Amino acid sequence: SQELEQSPQSLIVQEGKNLTINCTSSKTLYGLYWYKQKYGEGLIFLMMLQKGGEEKSHEKITAKLDEKKQQSSLHITASQPSHAGIYLCGAERAAGNKLTFGGGTRVLVKP
Amino acid sequence: GAVVSQHPSRVICKSGTSVKIECRSLDFQATTMFWYRQFPKKSLMLMATSNEGSKATYEQGVEKDKFLINHASLTLSTLTVTSAHPEDSSFYICSARVVGRLYNEQFFGPGTRLTVL
Repeated sequence: SQELEQSPQSLIVQEGKNLTINCTSSKTLYGLYWYKQKYGEGLIFLMMLQKGGEEKSHEKITAKLDEKKQQSSLHITASQPSHAGIYLCGAERAAGNKLTFGGGTRVLVKP
Repeated sequence: GAVVSQHPSRVICKSGTSVKIECRSLDFQATTMFWYRQFPKKSLMLMATSNEGSKATYEQGVEKDKFLINHASLTLSTLTVTSAHPEDSSFYICSARVVGRLYNEQFFGPGTRLTVL
């Protein structure tokens, strides 16, 4: 979706290195969702951010939403091969509304 | 977490035939289910919103007579691709929104890969 830009489109990192994925919206968001997808499979819910400035962490993954609620980042610390996959951000424009997805970021972690 | 299943996981059909894909919420009720389509190396594209007991809402550019959606119960939505053609080959994913949840948390099915010969 052109309303939601993800960068980079793909990323190759060495195991143990950190990585960051960005998601930028042209409009203020109600909520921002991060999902992970393995090729040919469904989406796994990672985190949801709703408040400006909010930050959430789960294991080695941290997601942040800026104060303006237009930009989010997903950061993985000390990446492992299990972190490989496609990461998708999804934007909710209003409460209970549909999700619009970014183009996705393919992550490959080299052992 | 809530579980969503899809059946079949893979289907190969001949051009001109119709294919039905089922999406089930296994351990929760879903008043709303969503159908997405995903092309290789592309993101998810929302096709339609399926509401239990009412007509589906289709996104712009999606033919409702081509992609028939039925949401007959709180745990089942079906997508029927009618008169399938090779360009309909794609990965179809459904998701379900949990009833009563404050946020728009959607749980996704594992997807169905459709190949039209």
